[in-house]
Amino acid sequence: KAGVTQTPRYLIKTRGQQVTLSCSPISGHRSVSWYQQTPGQGLQFLFEYFSETQRNKGNFPGRFSGRQFSNSRSEMNVSTLELGDSALYLCASTRGGGGELFFGEGSRLTVL
Amino acid sequence: AQSVSQHNHHVILSEAASLELGCNYSYGGTVNLFWYVQYPGQHLQLLLKYFSGDPLVKGIKGFEAEFIKSKFSFNLRKPSVQWSDTAEYFCAVGWEVTGTASKLTFGTGTRLQVTL
Repeated sequence: KAGVTQTPRYLIKTRGQQVTLSCSPISGHRSVSWYQQTPGQGLQFLFEYFSETQRNKGNFPGRFSGRQFSNSRSEMNVSTLELGDSALYLCASTRGGGGELFFGEGSRLTVL
Repeated sequence: AQSVSQHNHHVILSEAASLELGCNYSYGGTVNLFWYVQYPGQHLQLLLKYFSGDPLVKGIKGFEAEFIKSKFSFNLRKPSVQWSDTAEYFCAVGWEVTGTASKLTFGTGTRLQVTL
């Protein structure tokens, strides 16, 4: 079956702009989580959505937000981009009852 | 705060050497434990996981890990590494107190380089 699909794979933005990233989970998976990966901080949890509701949130500013649609697809948005937001943003899905996370290949965001 | 420590940042081994990567987490309670691997240019993949039961778990590609509750550790091992094991390895922990098993705290990763 198809894996977790993230779009776009690469994007370049300038400071102050906003960006929206998309994630399509594995069919049948109802939980979608987002992580930020940087060389300095490693992988950090952003938030998790399950059945269109945010179930958990990491320690990121309010500029980072997300949502999940009825088909389990998810988007995350970062507003007022800062240089430090440059990172690989990873989406992961799971059925929802725990278990392993299946990761996508990520969206690499560069902020200039 | 919950934290995960991987003590080895960069490991270089010759083929056929044995591997042990350390992973410790900050405190107890009920935990789910994972090792993920990221091969060059590829996405994160699960190597193995521990939820409960036998503390010695076996994963893919000959990897295994041992959960030692008293030491808050979940070390990864492989008796004989291959060149194709060159990758970055991440330990991850999910605490049930967080309310969701999907909120994982990752270690900073260990870059393994296997030489021929």
